[in-house]
Amino acid sequence: GENVEQHPSTLSVQEGDSAVIKCTYSDSASNYFPWYKQELGKRPQLIIDIRSNVGEKKDQRIAVTLNKTAKHFSLHITETQPEDSAVYFCAASIGEIGGGADGLTFGKGTHLIIQP
Amino acid sequence: SQTIHQWPATLVQPVGSPLSLECTVEGTSNPNLYWYRQAAGRGLQLLFYSVGIGQISSEVPQNLSASRPQDRQFILSSKKLLLSDSGFYLCASDRGVTTRTQETQYFGPGTRLLVL
Repeated sequence: GENVEQHPSTLSVQEGDSAVIKCTYSDSASNYFPWYKQELGKRPQLIIDIRSNVGEKKDQRIAVTLNKTAKHFSLHITETQPEDSAVYFCAASIGEIGGGADGLTFGKGTHLIIQP
Repeated sequence: SQTIHQWPATLVQPVGSPLSLECTVEGTSNPNLYWYRQAAGRGLQLLFYSVGIGQISSEVPQNLSASRPQDRQFILSSKKLLLSDSGFYLCASDRGVTTRTQETQYFGPGTRLLVL
């Protein structure tokens, strides 16, 4: 099955600086890569996702890049703010024909800390 | 857009007692439904997924079971809880459209279970 590795486990950056979180996946058939943000005690919330037919996607201060050849994808947050502090999870899915109910394989998460 | 309900929000149960957690979905028909467990400070582990009524797939062997008695209802159960069952249980849903690609998954608010 799919295996997703996420690094780093903890990332501390100064407010206003950029943060980058990286994930690698094992199954070259994976074609869907979402990123979730989870604040303490709350549910994971989708912040951005990318499909394998796209190399980069951007939404305001958040961007995701995908390198299918190297099988890795990254989350980039620019001009970080205190409210960006949370745990971020990457995930990958093969999404086979028939509804894609293979579920998502998640990375172990990155605790992002924004220092004032 | 779909809304996912979970209850109870918090549960404290003794070891050996039974468990029933419920998840219901509004705003979509024939969704794929998922149960995840998140141990304290850890990532998300997929426990079960369902593509339709009465159809359950298990990702990990355990003393938990799942059932889907109705299209938009997903139940997680146990006959006898273990200490290791403590965690944050999240129900998730996606549109379940028959496509080649995974649809976006959205999470319910979760149930925090503490087994003593």
